[in-house]
Formats: sequence, structure tokens, C-alpha cells
Amino acid sequence: AQTVTQSQPEMSVQEAETVTLSCTYDTSESDYYLFWYKQPPSRQMILVIRQEAYKQQNATENRFSVNFQKAAKSFSLKISDSQLGDAAMYFCAYRRDRGGANSKLTFGKGITLSVRP
Amino acid sequence: GAVVSQHPSRVICKSGTSVKIECRSLDFQATTMFWYRQFPKQSLMLMATSNEGSKATYEQGVEKDKFLINHASLTLSTLTVTSAHPEDSSFYICSAQDRGPNTIYFGEGSWLTVV
Repeated sequence: AQTVTQSQPEMSVQEAETVTLSCTYDTSESDYYLFWYKQPPSRQMILVIRQEAYKQQNATENRFSVNFQKAAKSFSLKISDSQLGDAAMYFCAYRRDRGGANSKLTFGKGITLSVRP
Repeated sequence: GAVVSQHPSRVICKSGTSVKIECRSLDFQATTMFWYRQFPKQSLMLMATSNEGSKATYEQGVEKDKFLINHASLTLSTLTVTSAHPEDSSFYICSAQDRGPNTIYFGEGSWLTVV
């Protein structure tokens, strides 16, 4: 079974600084997707970034980038120039590259990120 | 972008009654939808996978008769909490898979309070 581990329950960053959120996963599959989701106080799940396992290049979305280490099964999220609006709970998630019921997301426990003004 | 609408956003019901939560994909067809439960400051726990036109697949430990899931059309799945009890109070979230771009979209979630 696939597992996703986020070992840090909480992190804090100064506004405008950079922070890295860690995530490791375990799978025997070769094709899969990895995601970081943001859940603000509104509870709406927002997709931050997505990485396909077959791609060697790390995904980037504006201030958000990942460090994807496939061999190490590591998938960290870097937030640059942190803003107050980045404060939220962040979830790392895994999904097999299959359709239907096999496309379910497996989530880590999440990390609460606070941003200090 | 694609939108998944969940309704109601908040509902209060009396213990022993049933309550239905709807999940609709507004601009795409979703053959697969997922239902999650989330406790405060915890992760999303997958309850079941809903496939259009067939029975839902429930995760281990989730009571099928308690949480009835119906996926009658390509744009609508419903979760009915039957004979609700206070311990069923929680935040429930649905998500739907858009096969085209192979992307999963989340609804806004529903707060259920059983009194």
C-alpha cells in the first residue's frame, strides 16, 4: 500500500522568507503523480503544484517549487517570498497513474504553516 | 477552471435523522467521485469511491449502511448519513475526477452538526 509521510506537524516562516515543507512517500509503482494541496481556514482544498513521476524536471508554479527525488521517494515543497496568505495547512498527496477507483489520492497528515509578519 | 459544487455547506440535524449531501461537477463529467471526512486539524480520510452507475467502494472501517453513497449521473454523487449521531458531526469533502485532463477537483466541503 502507498503511504505518504509528513513528519513536521507545524512550521513557521517570516514574511518574505523561504520555507521548505518535507514529504516522503512509499510506493512500488513506477508511474504516479505527487501533489501539494493548500487548505486555508475556509477548508477549500487548493491545488498548489503537481509533479508527474516520469518527469525529471521539478515542477514550479510562481513562488512554489518542488524538489522531487524519485530514488529517495522525497517530494518537498519550497515557498519563496512567503506571504501572509500562504498561512494554511499543506497536504502532500500521492496518486497512482490509473483511472477510476485506483486514482484515489493518498494524503499525508498535513503541516500547519504560519507566516509571521 | 473546473468546478465542483457541494451542498449544503452547513447543516444541522437532529440525532436519529438522515441528512443528504450533494456533490456536483458543474462543467465536466465525472465518472469517479470520492468522499472524504476530515476531523479538526487532521488529514482527509477517504470514506468511499463513487463510480457512476455502480456501487460505491468503501474503505475499510466505513459503515456502508451508515453512509449511503449514490452516483446516479455523471455529474452528481450524494452522501446520505443515515440515523445520524453526534459522533457523525464532521467536515465532509467530495472530489471529482475529470478524465480529460486527468485531474481531481474538490468541492467546498460540508459541515455536519448532529444535535
